[in-house]
Amino acid sequence: NAGVTQTPKFQVLKTGQSMTLQCAQDMNHNSMYWYRQDPGMGLRLIYYSASEGTTDKGEVPNGYNVSRLNKREFSLRLESAAPSQTSVYFCASSEVGGLLYDEQFFGPGTRLTVL
Amino acid sequence: DAKTTQPNSMESNEEEPVHLPCNHSTISGTDYIHWYRQLPSQGPEYVIHGLTSNVNNRMASLAIAEDRKSSTLILHRATLRDAAVYYCIRKTGGFKTIFGAGTRLFVKA
Repeated sequence: NAGVTQTPKFQVLKTGQSMTLQCAQDMNHNSMYWYRQDPGMGLRLIYYSASEGTTDKGEVPNGYNVSRLNKREFSLRLESAAPSQTSVYFCASSEVGGLLYDEQFFGPGTRLTVL
Repeated sequence: DAKTTQPNSMESNEEEPVHLPCNHSTISGTDYIHWYRQLPSQGPEYVIHGLTSNVNNRMASLAIAEDRKSSTLILHRATLRDAAVYYCIRKTGGFKTIFGAGTRLFVKA
């Protein structure tokens, strides 16, 4: 099992460019998440998908859109990148999100720099 | 507010036990305590979780105070590979898991 995979690993964008971060999991999990982590800080939830076909905003959704393509894949799109979106982006999945004892599995992250 | 309070950093010697404290004084009766850790340049990984009683697994032990207002993650024998940021999380239900800044653990050889 590869677990949670993310592409690309690194990306540099110019202000105003768009891009999509890809995430896939092979654990048959129902719930998936996108977080961002700024230097020296904890993770902040951008969007999540409780189950296939549903998506909801997290703590910091502005400037992002998501698509739950199928049960395996959850993508994050930046329509018009801004320097404030320079961060490391982590995708995660969990078997049944929302449960108090639910465990999340994280991908390796995408390091994004917006110039 | 589902915040927890942890020291910014701690230091340990290799092969010695490490006790990482966490304060969650406003915890409610059904909230779980989760611990994750993040190794350098990696995504977080789950360590352990508990509700009321102490918990053990292959990675660590979790000791929860009787009043549940604090907990301690115990690494029984720290190794250099345990150097990481450790996050104590109060899980209140729903999908929004709040990660604070965590405790950065330094392990000396």
